[in-house]
Amino acid sequence: AQKITQTQPGMFVQEKEAVTLDCTYDTSDQSYGLFWYKQPSSGEMIFLIYQGSYDEQNATEGRYSLNFQKARKSANLVISASQLGDSAMYFCAMREGSRGAGNNRKLIWGLGTSLAVNP
Amino acid sequence: KAGVTQTPRYLIKTRGQQVTLSCSPISGHRSVSWYQQTPGQGLQFLFEYFSETQRNKGNFPGRFSGRQFSNSRSEMNVSTLELGDSALYLCASSEGTGGSGNTIYFGEGSWLTVV
Repeated sequence: AQKITQTQPGMFVQEKEAVTLDCTYDTSDQSYGLFWYKQPSSGEMIFLIYQGSYDEQNATEGRYSLNFQKARKSANLVISASQLGDSAMYFCAMREGSRGAGNNRKLIWGLGTSLAVNP
Repeated sequence: KAGVTQTPRYLIKTRGQQVTLSCSPISGHRSVSWYQQTPGQGLQFLFEYFSETQRNKGNFPGRFSGRQFSNSRSEMNVSTLELGDSALYLCASSEGTGGSGNTIYFGEGSWLTVV
């Protein structure tokens, strides 16, 4: 069964330091996509970064990078130079079948990691 | 380019009533999905629409329904509200065509409280 595991309920990091948020996944599909989202207390789910299972390079988006280790089925999010505004919940999610026209399936979510950035 | 717009943002309903939530996806996006988020169950998939057709449905009772219009706007309806329906309802928008249209964007959500 498809599953996303985020083992860190809460994390603390000092401002300007880097932090890694863990995510492991389980799927029998060869084609899938992995997402990271940030959710501040307002509730909006903000897209951060995407990694396709066939992508050979690790995804990067500004201060966000995804450490994709396919054999280990892990997709950890790395936030460099943390800022106070990074304090939020972070969710890892997976969608099977990342290729093909009209192939937009549901997202399976982890339980999230609450990140607090200390000044 | 405008983002995903959900209305209303906040609402309070009484048990037994029904509610309709609206979602306008990003211009050009044809896929709309709905998710329910609660502290106890986390994020759960409700349903997905693409070009006015429901393509996928989560494990929710028939009280939860949705539809998509020709302009890709979507509505979801919950009838005979129960206290357990209190949640944040999130709408997601994507091109729905795979490939470069993989990214899924969310709205700010609709906070529903059932009393």
